Amino acid sequence: GDSVTQMEGPVTLSEEAFLTINCTYTATGYPSLFWYVQYPGEGLQLLLKATKADDKGSNKGFEATYRKETTSFHLEKGSVQVSDSAVYFCALKNDYKLSFGAGTTVTVRA
Amino acid sequence: NAGVTQTPKFQVLKTGQSMTLQCAQDMNHNSMYWYRQDPGMGLRLIYYSASEGTTDKGEVPNGYNVSRLNKREFSLRLESAAPSQTSVYFCASSVYLSNQPQHFGDGTRLSIL
Repeated sequence: GDSVTQMEGPVTLSEEAFLTINCTYTATGYPSLFWYVQYPGEGLQLLLKATKADDKGSNKGFEATYRKETTSFHLEKGSVQVSDSAVYFCALKNDYKLSFGAGTTVTVRA
Repeated sequence: NAGVTQTPKFQVLKTGQSMTLQCAQDMNHNSMYWYRQDPGMGLRLIYYSASEGTTDKGEVPNGYNVSRLNKREFSLRLESAAPSQTSVYFCASSVYLSNQPQHFGDGTRLSIL
């Protein structure tokens, strides 16, 4: 079945540092890929998406490129802020169903 | 601009009690979902409803039942709560098409003693 593997956390960074969270997937067919973010005490919010190979999703300074050849969808941000502290989930959608990675907790220190 | 609304936000139950979690969406979405979130395990799909009138089991359906009451509402029922069902429960909805994202509610934090 479909599955998503993302790098384990927690990740602790200083403000203005570069952030990368690795995500790889296995799936049949042509899934769509997403990054969701969860702030403390809140639900999941869609951060960005890519629906086909080589698409780049971007939002709030975050970017991720759908790489079919390496089955990857790594999340990057060039200069993080304290407000980026959250849990980040990589997800794959095939048919009706969304498969999630385990989540990566990111803490940004001032 | 409500999106997906879940009630209640918090609940404490005793083992063996029953409970229904409510979910409603106002985005005219066809598909709705129930997930549970446990530490270190991401979100796991309990049940989903691809369209009004249909429901199907997800990854972890045991101990739960669902009802798709109409296009807007999708409820999750615990008939006899167990401590292993202590979790945060999220409802989500999406357009029918597979490349569209799911939109999530704020969650119900459920503790079973």
